[in-house]
Amino acid sequence: EVRLVESGGDLVHPGGSLRLSCVASGLTFSRYNMDWVRQAPGKGLEWVSYISRSSNTIYYADSVKGRFTISRDNTKNSLFLQMNSLSAEDTAIYYCVRENLAVPGVLMDWGQGSPVTVSS
Amino acid sequence: DIRMTQSPSSLYASVGDRVTITCRASQDISNDLAWFQQRPGKAPKSLIYAASTLQTGAPSKFSGNGSETDFTLTISSLQPDDFGTYYCQQYYTFPRTFGQGTKVEI
Repeated sequence: EVRLVESGGDLVHPGGSLRLSCVASGLTFSRYNMDWVRQAPGKGLEWVSYISRSSNTIYYADSVKGRFTISRDNTKNSLFLQMNSLSAEDTAIYYCVRENLAVPGVLMDWGQGSPVTVSS
Repeated sequence: DIRMTQSPSSLYASVGDRVTITCRASQDISNDLAWFQQRPGKAPKSLIYAASTLQTGAPSKFSGNGSETDFTLTISSLQPDDFGTYYCQQYYTFPRTFGQGTKVEI
């Protein structure tokens, strides 16, 4: 069974930083492209970032470009999201998502989410 | 960016009803369209990808149709555990974009 477990979410002041982690199990992590998707309280889903399995290709949503950095460590089955210059608009649950191996872009398995609150 | 528009935004239905949700893309996305179900307080679950391919483990009461710009998700016989919010999402290009969601209330 595939498991994705996020951690690192917290209450942070505006302008602050936070690093989210996601540990994967039940799969060969290095074979899969990964994404972060977030959901603000009471709102819909917003795609945040993508990283290819070898970290060669990375994309960001315009709303986080220049402030967030996605990375991975395939030796530790881990995905990361470094978030800097946080604002209230970044308050959300952040989900780690595995893509379909055979059909790139298809978001298959989701973690339980890590809540991030940006408030003074 | 490709804009995804779902309709309706919410609906009420009865147990046993056949329910259809529509998703429209602002440009041709071929069949690079997925559907997700999200129950309150839970992570989204994948239902459909490639517009009409049922995700492994998803119940067969869910079906998808469409191509290019117009897509539908149909629930053949609504059950109490089908309440929640349904989202479409395009993966034709970056940035990936989601519809605003359709809340299904029983």
